[in-house]
Amino acid sequence: QLQLQESGPGLVKPSETLSLTCTVSGDSISSTSQYWAWIRQPPGKGLEWIGSIYYSGSTYYNVSLKSRVTISGDTPKNQFSLKLSSVTAADTAVYYCARQSDYGGNPSGWFDPWGQGTLVTVSS
Amino acid sequence: SYELTQTPSVSVSPGQTASITCSGDKLGDKYACWYQQKPGQSPVLVIYEDFKRPSGIPERFSGSNSGNTATLTISGTQPMDEADYYCQASDSSPYVVFGGGTKLTVL
Repeated sequence: QLQLQESGPGLVKPSETLSLTCTVSGDSISSTSQYWAWIRQPPGKGLEWIGSIYYSGSTYYNVSLKSRVTISGDTPKNQFSLKLSSVTAADTAVYYCARQSDYGGNPSGWFDPWGQGTLVTVSS
Repeated sequence: SYELTQTPSVSVSPGQTASITCSGDKLGDKYACWYQQKPGQSPVLVIYEDFKRPSGIPERFSGSNSGNTATLTISGTQPMDEADYYCQASDSSPYVVFGGGTKLTVL
């Protein structure tokens, strides 16, 4: 059974870099035709896609965050990671990782399953 | 940029049919999917590719997508279906767009 688990600091200071890791079990992040994604949800608000990494290592980002986001994969550890630089209070959110289906060669498919999520608060 | 619009809240009586809509320009030309999110939990995929149900999702959940509107229908709504529901559109650009969410109340 595929499971994803987010980990990382729950508190980050403004202007610093948020770093999270998603550990995958039950599947390999190098399996063909799959994406691995990060999505976030500010408290009481809706979902926002951050970006995805393809099994080949190609990355795709939300244009609104692209200048601050880096997603990378670690195949031996079966993990993928998120780095978000220059954070502000607006980046306070629950961060989810998820497997994303490949749709037409684009990272535009559905997300299933999702990790349990981890709350990251940006505050001094 | 592409936007998806959802009614903020929908109320339904137990046993009745709930319809939750998601509107976007030519949404019917794209694939739509739906997620259910209960308080304090992660989203769960309930419909993908407009109308397909993942394994384990009850048959009372169904979907359709035509024109500018995708619809999630819950037949015989149960109290356990009370949750937030989010739609998502799939397209070549932008890759992923979520609707703002609809809070379904079963009362």
